[in-house]
Amino acid sequence: EAGVAQSPRYKIIEKRQSVAFWCNPISGHATLYWYQQILGQGPKLLIQFQNNGVVDDSQLPKDRFSAERLKGVDSTLKIQPAKLEDSAVYLCASSLRFMETQYFGPGTRLLVL
Amino acid sequence: ELKVEQNPLFLSMQEGKNYTIYCNYSTTSDRLYWYRQDPGKSLESLFVLLSNGAVKQEGRLMASLDTKARLSTLHITAAVHDLSATYFCAVASGNAGNMLTFGGGTRLMVKP
Repeated sequence: EAGVAQSPRYKIIEKRQSVAFWCNPISGHATLYWYQQILGQGPKLLIQFQNNGVVDDSQLPKDRFSAERLKGVDSTLKIQPAKLEDSAVYLCASSLRFMETQYFGPGTRLLVL
Repeated sequence: ELKVEQNPLFLSMQEGKNYTIYCNYSTTSDRLYWYRQDPGKSLESLFVLLSNGAVKQEGRLMASLDTKARLSTLHITAAVHDLSATYFCAVASGNAGNMLTFGGGTRLMVKP
């Protein structure tokens, strides 16, 4: 079974630029999550989707971050404009259903200069 | 707001020794996960603990959950170098019970 796929794996941008990350969850997984992991810390949930609907986005900085999962499968996370403090690894995870184990992708490492 | 604290943050130990990592959390939850993360890699699920008194074991790792004390432990028996990694606990909460709040992680280094 293929795992959670993410791209790109690495991205370097300058502050105030825009960036987008892509995630393809495990086939059949209804729930998809985006996390931000700052170096030396645990992951922090940004947004959670159930199929193509948002379940929770209370920790998403909505002035600059947006995410969508239009067809209930792939998802994109966008930052516009980026700030220095957005430098982190962005992890995508999926689970078959609510309240089941989340499986994580390899992450996208973002460096904002 | 749910807070999850792990200790120690860093652990250096010799092969063959035993040690325990602690995970404390601040509000009621009935699900707790342990994940492993190798440097530069993503998170790998180790255990899910679903009820008070739950105990899970895999190889040299054993996890337990005390929901009354809001405490989980990850015990390492006779450590080997391959166990070197960062270990995170994550506590489920939220209306749907599916939001995970992670601890800060315990970086384990096992010396040969």
